[in-house]
Formats: sequence, C-alpha cells, structure tokens
Amino acid sequence: QVQLRESGPGLVKPSQTLSLTCTVSGDSISSGNYYWHWVRQHPGKGLEWIGHIYYSGSTYYSPSLKSRVIISVDTSKKQFSLRLTSVTAADTAVYYCARAPNFQPPHWYFDLWGRGTLVTVSS
Amino acid sequence: DIPMTQSPSSLSALVGDRVTITCRASQNIGYFLNWYRQKPGKAPELLIYFASNLQSGVPSRFSGSASGTDFTLTISNLQPEDFAIYYCQQSYTNHLTFGPGTVVDVK
Repeated sequence: QVQLRESGPGLVKPSQTLSLTCTVSGDSISSGNYYWHWVRQHPGKGLEWIGHIYYSGSTYYSPSLKSRVIISVDTSKKQFSLRLTSVTAADTAVYYCARAPNFQPPHWYFDLWGRGTLVTVSS
Repeated sequence: DIPMTQSPSSLSALVGDRVTITCRASQNIGYFLNWYRQKPGKAPELLIYFASNLQSGVPSRFSGSASGTDFTLTISNLQPEDFAIYYCQQSYTNHLTFGPGTVVDVK
C-alpha cells in the first residue's frame, strides 16, 4: 500500500526557512508514473497549491509563491522536499504532500495525499 | 490564475438525501475539473477526476457532470461519512486552483 508521510519542524520563526520532507513508501518515486506536489491549507480555510516536482528534478511553482519556494527530490531516499524562505505568520498552515498521476500532464489531479503536517510560524 | 467558485457554500442534509454541489470556472477549462472530499481533521480524498470519472474505490453514489464552465458533483443516498467539506480543483492550467469549498452538514 503506497503511503506519503510529511515530516519536519512544527514551529518556525518568522523570517526563517520552512523545510518539510515527504517520504514515499510502497512505491518508487522514480518510476516516472507520477508528479509529486505540495499543497497547503491555512487554518479553517481552503486549499492552496504550492508546486510540483518530477523524479528528474523538473519543477513548477505557484506564481504567488515562486520567489520563495524550492522543491527538490532525492530518489535514493524516496523523498521530496519543500523549502519556503522568509516565512511570516501568513505561512502558518497544514502542509500536504500529494501524488498526481502522469496521465495527461499538466492536467493534474491528486489521487494520494499525505496526512498533512501543521507548521506554525511564530517567534 | 483561474478563480473557481462553488455553490452553495454550505448545505444541510439528512442521511439518504440526494445532494448537488456546483463549481463554476471563470473561463473555459474543458473537462479538467476534479472533486475532493475532506473529512474533519483529514487530508482530502479524490472522488472524481476530469469532470465525470469516478476514482477507483470511490462509491458509485458519487457522480460528476459538466456543462460549459459549470460542473456538478452529485451525491445520491448521502451516507454519514459524507458529512464533510467538498472542494473542486481545476487542472486546465499549470497553476492549479481550488474552489473555496462546500460544507455538507447534518440537518
């Protein structure tokens, strides 16, 4: 059974960098069958797409976050990671990693999600 | 950016009811519209992809349809686990966007 699991600090200070990792279990991240995404959800609010990465390392980011986001992949560890720089309280959210089938790119839909991890930005 | 709207923003229903939620795109997005259910404290789950395709393992009481820029999610015979928030998501462009959500709660 394929699973995604987010990990990383739950508390980040303002102006610092938020770093999260998503570990894929039960499947290969480098099969080429999927793109790997990050999505966040502000407390009590809707969903916001952050960006994606392919196993080859190619990325695409939300224009609204592009200047602060880096997504990377480590296929040997079956992990992909999110770095968000210069965080503020507005970045407090539950961060999800998600999988999108490489069926008809770039028309992504998320068929598998991690449980999510709450990151709070506060001093 | 393609803003998405959903209506209603919330609705109250009973187990066994038929429920319809609408999502509207601000421009043509073809059939690239997906639906998710999010139970409290959980991650979203894919229900329907590309407007009308039922995701594997999802009960057949869920169905989706499209008419122009309007998309509909129908839940027939509402079950207790269906009291949740429903989101639509367009994937017409690389910049993916979600609707604001529709809360389905108990009448």
